[in-house]
Amino acid sequence: EAEVAQSPRYKITEKSQAVAFWCDPISGHATLYWYRQILGQGPELLVQFQDESVVDDSQLPKDRFSAERLKGVDSTLKIQPAELGDSAMYLCASSHLVANYGYTFGSGTRLTVV
Amino acid sequence: GENVEQHPSTLSVQEGDSAVIKCTYSDSASNYFPWYKQELGKRPQLIIDIRSNVGEKKDQRIAVTLNKTAKHFSLHITETQPEDSAVYFCAASIRSGSNYKLTFGKGTLLTVNP
Repeated sequence: EAEVAQSPRYKITEKSQAVAFWCDPISGHATLYWYRQILGQGPELLVQFQDESVVDDSQLPKDRFSAERLKGVDSTLKIQPAELGDSAMYLCASSHLVANYGYTFGSGTRLTVV
Repeated sequence: GENVEQHPSTLSVQEGDSAVIKCTYSDSASNYFPWYKQELGKRPQLIIDIRSNVGEKKDQRIAVTLNKTAKHFSLHITETQPEDSAVYFCAASIRSGSNYKLTFGKGTLLTVNP
């Protein structure tokens, strides 16, 4: 079964430092999503890509978060500087371009900011 | 934007009993409603979904019902087993152009007691 790959699985960083997460979607999936899941809550969309273009980043804190998907395949989410409140699970998901199917999530990156 | 409310936040049942989780959504244009199961420390995994052109779907011990008029949908688990214990998330999808975005509920922690 095809999977969405994410790395690292765990990351501990000090506040004010920079941190980056990587995601490789399922082959052929043009749509890629980054979600943030705070402990005890549901996933919240941060940014959505269609190929290399951002189609929704309305919930992305742009003063410190950035995301790119330069070649329309894998993607990087960056936080600079990290704050204590950024501690969460960062989930990447992908789906087909035109089909409205459920997402396949990656295993996530558990970020702890100390 | 879409808003998804999920109830209850916690649910405890005895093994063999049924469990029901309910969600409501705000956007009448939503047309796809998946349910995800998330075990502790793991990714959310799609367990069942329903589209707006049907009212009910069943897969073994799991069923989902949809009432478009009332804008609510429910997950039903029969003959619950301890391994059903997890957090369950409902979601609603809305199409924007050629893109889809899922909005998640806050989750229900289901505990099945042996």
